[in-house]
Amino acid sequence: ETGVTQTPRHLVMGMTNKKSLKCEQHLGHNAMYWYKQSAKKPLELMFVYSLEERVENNSVPSRFSPECPNSSHLFLHLHTLQPEDSALYLCASSQDSSYTSYNEQFFGPGTRLTVL
Amino acid sequence: AQKITQTQPGMFVQEKEAVTLDCTYDTSDQSYGLFWYKQPSSGEMIFLIYQGSYDEQNATEGRYSLNFQKARKSANLVISASQLGDSAMYFCAMSTSMDSNYQLIWGAGTKLIIKP
Repeated sequence: ETGVTQTPRHLVMGMTNKKSLKCEQHLGHNAMYWYKQSAKKPLELMFVYSLEERVENNSVPSRFSPECPNSSHLFLHLHTLQPEDSALYLCASSQDSSYTSYNEQFFGPGTRLTVL
Repeated sequence: AQKITQTQPGMFVQEKEAVTLDCTYDTSDQSYGLFWYKQPSSGEMIFLIYQGSYDEQNATEGRYSLNFQKARKSANLVISASQLGDSAMYFCAMSTSMDSNYQLIWGAGTKLIIKP
């Protein structure tokens, strides 16, 4: 495997279900990100992890719970979601999360989530 | 406020013609970076080109070039000799520092359709 992988690619869940999204990066990066992409809206940054420590949480509802057990893996645990949470969830990684003007992010293919 | 604006929600272009996708940005930072990403229907974000705020020359990567006009705060993407495979969503993004951590601010995207 190369680059950034995400599983599952598609997920349909009810509002009372609990599910998890998985992201894995094979690039040796130290920072990982979760984004939400809704139709006709800019990407929304949800969480940033640097060296397995959460450094940014953009006021995401508690029904989304991230987990970063090591620098290669990132999970997004989902519970009691709402229909408006239906979106494409993208994972990305970069060398680190410190600020420099150039810090390319590499993206996975995303998980298309539908909440019924 | 830091913001990216892409004013073209969609564009139709004839194959082999050149395409210009508009992007304007707003920031008070002196050091920033501008990125263009391509998102095919498969969902994965693909990095295309980067321009640093202090770079004096416009960035080029193969058929992609970035028309950087700093005074006008614009960073338009130019695709020369368009191909059918260029049909995708295109996103402009700007790197910024929030509390010393790296973030990308994203535009809403432009859907490009290349006609045979």
